Amino acid sequence: DAGVIQSPRHEVTEMGQEVTLRCKPISGHNSLFWYRQTMMRGLELLIYFNNNVPIDDSGMPEDRFSAKMPNASFSTLKIQPSEPRDSAVYFCASTQLAGANNGQFFGPGTRLTVL
Amino acid sequence: AQSVTQLGSHVSVSEGALVLLRCNYSSSVPPYLFWYVQYPNQGLQLLLKYTSAATLVKGINGFEAEFKKSETSFHLTKPSAHMSDAAEYFCAVSDRTGNQFYFGTGTSLTVIP
Repeated sequence: DAGVIQSPRHEVTEMGQEVTLRCKPISGHNSLFWYRQTMMRGLELLIYFNNNVPIDDSGMPEDRFSAKMPNASFSTLKIQPSEPRDSAVYFCASTQLAGANNGQFFGPGTRLTVL
Repeated sequence: AQSVTQLGSHVSVSEGALVLLRCNYSSSVPPYLFWYVQYPNQGLQLLLKYTSAATLVKGINGFEAEFKKSETSFHLTKPSAHMSDAAEYFCAVSDRTGNQFYFGTGTSLTVIP
């Protein structure tokens, strides 16, 4: 089975540009999480969805960040406009709500560099 | 509300020595507990989990963890460290719904040859 798929794996952009990160959760999973990882702040939960509905976006740093999940197999995290402090590794994870004891399954991450 | 505390952001052990990574949790209800490993430039990978069955849980790569309710701990151990164990390790706690999932700040394990 394919795991969580994220694209792109690496993104280098200039300050002010729009960035879109993509995630395909594991088939059958109905809960999706977006995390950001930096050396300074560690692993931070940005937002999560249950059954395609955003449940908690309190971790989204500011209005420049937005996330969508138009269907069960696709989610995007958008940063507009991007800033150098957004440079980080962004992870997507998924799980099955009914199987909360299975933990979350992580994608390989997108390494974002904003110049 | 749940939370986890990992004691020691960096741990160094010699190859062949015991690995002990500490995790304490806080939860108002019986939690699910997890250990994840992150190798350089990779995502997090589940090592093992506790879901209220046996209190001693065995995971991949020879790791195990013991759930101790009286100590609210879920420490990760491995009898003999390998060079390939060098990585970042995260403890995590979840409620029974899976909606509340909290990661610790991570422990970086260095294995000295």
